[in-house]
Amino acid sequence: DTGVSQNPRHKITKRGQNVTFRCDPISEHNRLYWYRQTLGQGPEFLTYFQNEAQLEKSRLLSDRFSAERPKGSFSTLEIQRTEQGDSAMYLCASSSSDRGAEAFFGQGTRLTVV
Amino acid sequence: QKEVEQNSGPLSVPEGAIASLNCTYSDRGSQSFFWYRQYSGKSPELIMFIYSNGDKEDGRFTAQLNKASQYVSLLIRDSQPSDSATYLCAVPLYSGGGADGLTFGKGTHLIIQP
Repeated sequence: DTGVSQNPRHKITKRGQNVTFRCDPISEHNRLYWYRQTLGQGPEFLTYFQNEAQLEKSRLLSDRFSAERPKGSFSTLEIQRTEQGDSAMYLCASSSSDRGAEAFFGQGTRLTVV
Repeated sequence: QKEVEQNSGPLSVPEGAIASLNCTYSDRGSQSFFWYRQYSGKSPELIMFIYSNGDKEDGRFTAQLNKASQYVSLLIRDSQPSDSATYLCAVPLYSGGGADGLTFGKGTHLIIQP
């Protein structure tokens, strides 16, 4: 499978717990993005990596959210002390330098905080 | 904060007719514009992008851009039931091509009636 892969596909957690999601981009893509989408809304930008460097992070993003891409390949998104408002679909996308804005999305991780 | 406005719908179109989806954006500096299709429960899929004023055609899809009016539209000719989905309009977060991330509208829910 050569598409963007996200794991897990679904996550149910209790409020206050930490969760971590993983994204494996398309192998030749050096750009990686995290978005969050809630019902009835478009995806909301969270953060962006070029290779291992985190170049952009949404000003709206709580300090409870952190993302890494240590070797410029896969990325992880961690949410600490989850709140019910964190319940959403977390989408990862990737693109290549020469086709920068043509991003391909993974299937997402649906988080439910109970 | 850049804004992208779309009528959430639902927009109901008979099979075989032309579906017209509209989007307005707030930032006159936006240079590129993207249309994504999202089926229920699935991730967004890029279907068209346009950089220049005028029309861009790809199969049954035509994107139309009017920078003076800050308006971009997507036309779907010979609409098929498989076109039923939510269509998301997006612009770059920052000036440029959008490689740093995108701002999405809420999407228009399109229903093609057989």
